[in-house]
Parts: sequence; structure tokens; C-alpha cells
Amino acid sequence: DAKTTQPPSMDCAEGRAANLPCNHSTISGNEYVYWYRQIHSQGPQYIIHGLKNNETNEMASLIITEDRKSSTLILPHATLRDTAVYYCMKGGDDKIIFGKGTRLHILP
Amino acid sequence: SQTIHQWPATLVQPVGSPLSLECTVEGTSNPNLYWYRQAAGRGLQLLFYSVGIGQISSEVPQNLSASRPQDRQFILSSKKLLLSDSGFYLCAWAASDTQYFGPGTRLTVL
Repeated sequence: DAKTTQPPSMDCAEGRAANLPCNHSTISGNEYVYWYRQIHSQGPQYIIHGLKNNETNEMASLIITEDRKSSTLILPHATLRDTAVYYCMKGGDDKIIFGKGTRLHILP
Repeated sequence: SQTIHQWPATLVQPVGSPLSLECTVEGTSNPNLYWYRQAAGRGLQLLFYSVGIGQISSEVPQNLSASRPQDRQFILSSKKLLLSDSGFYLCAWAASDTQYFGPGTRLTVL
């Protein structure tokens, strides 16, 4: 099974941290966890990826559980521009399979 | 820096007509290249990927085909379009483990 599981939608108040969960219980040892987001009618935008350790960049933080079966993407201070569909994927060996994603609504 | 181009941006084609969508990448060599399709309100479906010139892997059997005539050029084709081919077509490139997407082509088949 190459899929990941995410809630279909979430709301977050503007200025608060958005925590997006993802289950990837079938991840194998050499597969990375990737997060992308897609704003309406645009190509997906890379956010962050990780293998085992937690990662942070200018956009977000990625927290991966010790057993690597789930992860959380954290947008520390959500803005209206963060409204998008967020995709969590696992992949490697040149291929990433997209799931259905979480539609994040940022509420003013 | 690397950039990825797709054209056309939008396309309206009649059922049964041929299709050719082009994707080119600048600023990198020997990238992995990908074609995805996104139907309205749906997630992204991987169609083809290529690790080198002339090397194409198909993920979903259908009436589409892909070719990579040059290192940084990836073409998606069809001889006869179906209504179900409508969607948003995205090209992506990767030089390591991360994929970067182009702006997409919105195809409507009538």
C-alpha cells in the first residue's frame, strides 16, 4: 500500500499554529516523508521532507514519530495565504505517490 | 537556479483529437522527470516518470504516452483524446529526493 492517511479537512485560526497529522504506517526504512501543498489551480509547492529526525525550514517544521508511522506538519503562525490542500506522501527510489491531502482553512 | 516550464497553460480539445504537452527544465542536468494528472477535486495521479533520455516508466495504463527526446524535455502525448482525459496536467523534476512542479496545463476535452 503506497498511500498515506490524512484528515480531509482542518480549520485553524489565523496567527495560530496549524498542526497537520499524517499516518504512514506502511513506510519502509528507506522511504522519506514529504509534505507539499497546492493552492487552487497551481502546481504543488514543496514544503519539507524528512527520514527519521525532525526537520525545520523557513516554511514549517516536520515532526516524525520514533516508529516513523506518523508525522505532523507544523505551520507555526498560520496566515490566510496558507489556505491550501496539504499533501503528505512517502516515497523514495524516484517515485512519490500523492494521496488525497488535507484541505486547510485558515479562519480570520 | 532551476526552472520548469510547461505549455500550453490551457487547452481545449475535441474528443478524438491528438494531444502534445511539453515540459522543459532549465538549470539542471539529468533530472528525473514526471507527469501527473489531477482530475477536478481529486489528488494527483502519477502517470509517467523518466530517469533518463528514452527511459519511460508508466504507472497507469491508458491512452496516453510519454517521451523524453532530450535530457531536459518531457512530452506527454495522445493519439485520440477521451472525455476522461480532462484535467490538470503537471510536470515535475527531481535531482535528488525532492520533486519540484511546473505551473501545469489545464486540459478540457469536449
